[in-house]
Amino acid sequence: DTEVTQTPKHLVMGMTNKKSLKCEQHMGHRAMYWYKQKAKKPPELMFVYSYEKLSINESVPSRFSPECPNSSLLNLHLHALQPEDSALYLCASSQDRDRGGSWWTQYFGPGTRLLVL
Amino acid sequence: GQNIDQPTEMTATEGAIVQINCTYQTSGFNGLFWYQQHAGEAPTFLSYNVLDGLEEKGRFSSFLSRSKGYSYLLLKELQMKDSASYLCAVRDDRGSTLGRLYFGRGTQLTVWP
Repeated sequence: DTEVTQTPKHLVMGMTNKKSLKCEQHMGHRAMYWYKQKAKKPPELMFVYSYEKLSINESVPSRFSPECPNSSLLNLHLHALQPEDSALYLCASSQDRDRGGSWWTQYFGPGTRLLVL
Repeated sequence: GQNIDQPTEMTATEGAIVQINCTYQTSGFNGLFWYQQHAGEAPTFLSYNVLDGLEEKGRFSSFLSRSKGYSYLLLKELQMKDSASYLCAVRDDRGSTLGRLYFGRGTQLTVWP
């Protein structure tokens, strides 16, 4: 089973709203990732959690706030977003961040398509 | 930084074979991945190479030459459902970039009947 789930599938929010994206995996993976993807562009890494600790923050604006409550869950809290933040937000997980080979293969969830008005 | 290059678009016909090339430049190379992404969907893992040579998985094969910084994805017996974007991604482990995957811009493959 290589399933990563994300909710909601679609989200429309105003610039003053606060919302959260959720990601869940039950594969026992210990590394989880948030990516942002614009149309016809590759995914851009935002955050990496390894063993529930934030290990990489790619200079993401503070209006995006990640949270990893436990090893299976990853949240992305959104506040005061801008229209240019509209994109597909992808969550991924891998068995481990540090080991090589198949341990590190990232499996992606279906994404949340976000529209900021 | 990383420099990952792959063609923007390719077209082929059903039943044919297509090869999608990817070149990269990175000093902390620790593996190359190929992903398939249909429009509006998440990337799906296809293959992983870290040693030189060919990895075969059914209709898909992936090749790596570390000395040349080169990889290709070979798709045989093309089907209409293979129309998608194919992303080449490189793992670069250098200090602060440990655990980071760098993606190419993707190759949009269109399969015609």
